[in-house]
Amino acid sequence: QKEVEQNSGPLSVPEGAIASLNCTYSDRVSQSFFWYRQYSGKSPELIMSIYSNGDKEDGRFTAQLNKASQYVSLLIRDSQPSDSATYLCAVNPQGNQFYFGTGTSLTVIP
Amino acid sequence: SAVISQKPSRDICQRGTSLTIQCQVDSQVTMMFWYRQQPGQSLTLIATANQGSEATYESGFVIDKFPISRPNLTFSTLTVSNMSPEDSSIYLCSVKTGGTDTQYFGPGTRLTVL
Repeated sequence: QKEVEQNSGPLSVPEGAIASLNCTYSDRVSQSFFWYRQYSGKSPELIMSIYSNGDKEDGRFTAQLNKASQYVSLLIRDSQPSDSATYLCAVNPQGNQFYFGTGTSLTVIP
Repeated sequence: SAVISQKPSRDICQRGTSLTIQCQVDSQVTMMFWYRQQPGQSLTLIATANQGSEATYESGFVIDKFPISRPNLTFSTLTVSNMSPEDSSIYLCSVKTGGTDTQYFGPGTRLTVL
């Protein structure tokens, strides 16, 4: 069983719509969760971190965490073509080890 | 967050040779890491670069193949030794700063082995 699982997509949404990206993880003791965006040919850049159950909003981005269900999601409101990228979910169970999902490819259609 | 640079940004190498990748940070950081991202795959941690001591390698990665140095708190190198085409990948340096557990990534080194 993979540590972190994401739907690889591709996910396509029209411009202005809400994009919903999902991630599940296997290690119940995980405490830290991250979403990274990776444009083609570039390195991952941090979008958000979340540590507590519930929602965390930052601009057009909302991260949602449900530790009981071992589920973390990212919502992108008012999606823009510039949001087209691969989104990586990362989980930090303990120490320095980060487990990354394989990423979900998002395309925002103008 | 810290500003991270890597050199080279890309290289094409012959089988059996070695390449050393440099990672430079603009401020002192507590932790530095090296990752590999193979084509179409996610990121895999190779090792934690420890300042003043041997790196800590993850399962499946060994020092003879991926020697790492970290002479100070702002600089590290990763060498990919005796390369084969299977080593073709993007190699990424990442850092943790201060008391956070967030990792920030350098721009990466795209390596192609022929």
